[in-house]
Amino acid sequence: EVQLVQSGAEVKKPGESLKISCKASGYSFINYWIGWVRQMPGKGLEWMGIIYPGDSDTKYSPSFQGQVTISADKSISTAYLQWSSLKASDTAVYYCAKHARGDYVFENFDYWGQGTLVTVSS
Amino acid sequence: EIVLTQSPDTLSLSPGERATLSCRASQSVSSSYLAWYQQRPGQAPRLLIYGGSTRATGIPDNFSGSGSGTDFTLTITRLEPEDFAVYYCQQYVTSPLTFGGGTKVEIK
Repeated sequence: EVQLVQSGAEVKKPGESLKISCKASGYSFINYWIGWVRQMPGKGLEWMGIIYPGDSDTKYSPSFQGQVTISADKSISTAYLQWSSLKASDTAVYYCAKHARGDYVFENFDYWGQGTLVTVSS
Repeated sequence: EIVLTQSPDTLSLSPGERATLSCRASQSVSSSYLAWYQQRPGQAPRLLIYGGSTRATGIPDNFSGSGSGTDFTLTITRLEPEDFAVYYCQQYVTSPLTFGGGTKVEIK
């Protein structure tokens, strides 16, 4: 059974750093792109970027390029999303999700994590 | 960037009724690269339709997708209580991948 289990909710202050995680199981982690999607409070879904854990190739949305870093540790089947300096506008739920087809760099997401709520407030 | 515009923003219907949701793209999208997701309150999105019209695993046949070019439709033939949710379309033909703004299907 495919599962994506995300780390727990975080409360941070502006300017702090943060790294959230997404642990995958039930499929070959290194052979499928895995991505991150933001959902701000009461708003829609935004595609942030994806990583191919096999070789760490990464693609970012222009809206998020330079604002976040996506990484993966294939030894523990875990993907990460990190910020070096959080802003209040980063407050959102962040979902990780797995591509439906392994080799397709642009693809739909067939499995999703449960989401991680990140709250940034002074 | 391909912009996806969903309409209406909100659809107020009764259980048993038919729901028709629209997704319009700012430029042509191959139907092979158009997906629909359902998001219930407090839950992660769930893939319903991919390739424009193929139901994902476990999705009942009262959900169907159609369309081509710039106009796509998600149809729910008979609304069940669990179908009242927000629905998003997504194009995955080119980066950045984009989602529509969503249509909320609410109980009338």
